[in-house]
Amino acid sequence: GNSVTQMEGPVTLSEEAFLTINCTYTATGYPSLFWYVQYPGEGLQLLLKATKADDKGSNKGFEATYRKETTSFHLEKGSVQVSDSAVYFCALSATNTGNQFYFGTGTSLTVIP
Amino acid sequence: DAGVIQSPRHEVTEMGQEVTLRCKPISGHNSLFWYRQTMMRGLELLIYFNNNVPIDDSGMPEDRFSAKMPNASFSTLKIQPSEPRDSAVYFCASSAEGLTQETQYFGPGTRLLVL
Repeated sequence: GNSVTQMEGPVTLSEEAFLTINCTYTATGYPSLFWYVQYPGEGLQLLLKATKADDKGSNKGFEATYRKETTSFHLEKGSVQVSDSAVYFCALSATNTGNQFYFGTGTSLTVIP
Repeated sequence: DAGVIQSPRHEVTEMGQEVTLRCKPISGHNSLFWYRQTMMRGLELLIYFNNNVPIDDSGMPEDRFSAKMPNASFSTLKIQPSEPRDSAVYFCASSAEGLTQETQYFGPGTRLLVL
């Protein structure tokens, strides 16, 4: 079946530190992979996505590369800011499931000045 | 584009009362999803519709929950009777069908508290 496993949180970093949030997946089709971000009190917003192997999604300084050989889609940012404090969700959508998404459990990130 | 619209944004009710949550998807989107988010269980898919037809309702917790999509621009999620354990944030999301998996766009959520 389809599933996403995400790094457990919470994660606390100092401003300008390097961020990695791990995400691995299992899928029976050819998935597209997504990272969503949820700021306090808000809904989920798309952060970036990749639709095929070796694609790199990027947005707002965040990057993630679709690695089929390791079934991973790790989120990275070189220098985090306080405003990046949020919950990050990894998700997949596979060709055999229509538009249904499979979300990870979310990783809470707190960036301290 | 107004994005996905949900109402009400906050709802406080007493146990046993009926609760109706509403969602207007993005115009032109033909898939609609209802999710529930709690600290204990995270984000759970309750039901999703494609072209107004329920495709998978296996996530609906029990018969007290029902969802309808009478047309392409409106959906409701109803809880009757409500219970304190239904307290959560309920999100609606929509997406457009295409050849590749389309991005889901989320509404701001309805924060439900059942006393």
